[in-house]
Amino acid sequence: AQSVTQLDSHVSVSEGTPVLLRCNYSSSYSPSLFWYVQHPNKGLQLLLKYTSAATLVKGINGFEAEFKKSETSFHLTKPSAHMSDAAEYFCVVRGQGGKLIFGQGTELSVKP
Amino acid sequence: DSGVTQTPKHLITATGQRVTLRCSPRSGDLSVYWYQQSLDQGLQFLIQYYNGEERAKGNILERFSAQQFPDLHSELNLSSLELGDSALYFCASSGRQPGTGRFLQETQYFGPGTRLLVL
Repeated sequence: AQSVTQLDSHVSVSEGTPVLLRCNYSSSYSPSLFWYVQHPNKGLQLLLKYTSAATLVKGINGFEAEFKKSETSFHLTKPSAHMSDAAEYFCVVRGQGGKLIFGQGTELSVKP
Repeated sequence: DSGVTQTPKHLITATGQRVTLRCSPRSGDLSVYWYQQSLDQGLQFLIQYYNGEERAKGNILERFSAQQFPDLHSELNLSSLELGDSALYFCASSGRQPGTGRFLQETQYFGPGTRLLVL
């Protein structure tokens, strides 16, 4: 069975500093992995996805994630945080039949 | 804007009642998924439809049911509502890649959600 674990429930950074949101996955086959973002009172927006092509995936708004099979990780990074990045971030793995399996979420706070 | 629409945005109702949530997928998408987001359970998959047929079921209660119509819109019916059913209900669709029209079943685009409050 597929699952994802987000290692931090809350991350706080200062504006202009790097962002690292950690995610480990478990999958019995080559996974499809995603990061989604949810701004307050908004829906879920796809940031990026990994589907067994390049291991370094670039997404929207300057985010990227690296698939590391040896570490079963798919961490999300951004070189420089912006105030507008404050939101909840979900690491997601595609399960059987296409359903998405979500991690518990990481709330990102950005301090001025 | 993902192209997936959901109505209503907010719904307030009482315990024991029945409500219907509606979802219109992106143009051309054949698959519709329903998810529930609650504080204690997080985001959970409920059910999937593909071109009118049920494809997969997740943690969906027997009091809940869904269908997908010939025009591909979907409805989620919640009955005998309980306080614990209060949650944000999302619909997602998949099928076509924006711009290229390529079929990408694995990418799901989410609607803005319906916030249900059961009093």
